[in-house]
Amino acid sequence: DTGVSQNPRHKITKRGQNVTFRCDPISEHNRLYWYRQTLGQGPEFLTYFQNEAQLEKSRLLSDRFSAERPKGSFSTLEIQRTEQGDSAMYLCASRDRERTSGANVLTFGAGSRLTVL
Amino acid sequence: AQSVTQLDSQVPVFEEAPVELRCNYSSSVSVYLFWYVQYPNQGLQLLLKYLSGSTLVKGINGFEAEFNKSQTSFHLRKPSVHISDTAEYFCAVSEAWFGNEKLTFGTGTRLTIIP
Repeated sequence: DTGVSQNPRHKITKRGQNVTFRCDPISEHNRLYWYRQTLGQGPEFLTYFQNEAQLEKSRLLSDRFSAERPKGSFSTLEIQRTEQGDSAMYLCASRDRERTSGANVLTFGAGSRLTVL
Repeated sequence: AQSVTQLDSQVPVFEEAPVELRCNYSSSVSVYLFWYVQYPNQGLQLLLKYLSGSTLVKGINGFEAEFNKSQTSFHLRKPSVHISDTAEYFCAVSEAWFGNEKLTFGTGTRLTIIP
């Protein structure tokens, strides 16, 4: 178990370019989450998957954002036509359901930091 | 809707002194509560969690927190802090109903340990 892995760790891009982030969850975890964290704020929920199905999307996820988890393993988060306001840390997390309560105890990756110039 | 308030954005504490980081939540139903720590340029690490049972929860690195339903609080405490505790601390809440997969985080408290 190597934990949740995210790549790249840092990405600097020019406004208008497309970027893609990858997340590899803990292998036995069937649920995968994306959060966004801007400077001085706590993480905000973006979306989550159960296996390959995307079950919930936040209103924060505009049409320029798309997330996939094609085989129920790794996931990608793509941002098209990036804007300066997209600059943030994008955090991925995964979990397996707690046997006793169903609580969502998440394991987070180190994050992918995006800077849009 | 679930929400969390961390009133203290920064807390400076002398080394070996005790510390309390405050967290208040809002929800109309039962909740699960969490404290996460974030070291510079790293992701979030779970410190401790309250799911049910004993209201006093012990976590890693000597931290503990107490769930107080009447005051809707979940304050984090440590009796003696160390330089290595310097980090950002986030309180988070999740309403305890089937199908809720969303964690709502507070804005964080930056703990600075003064040698």
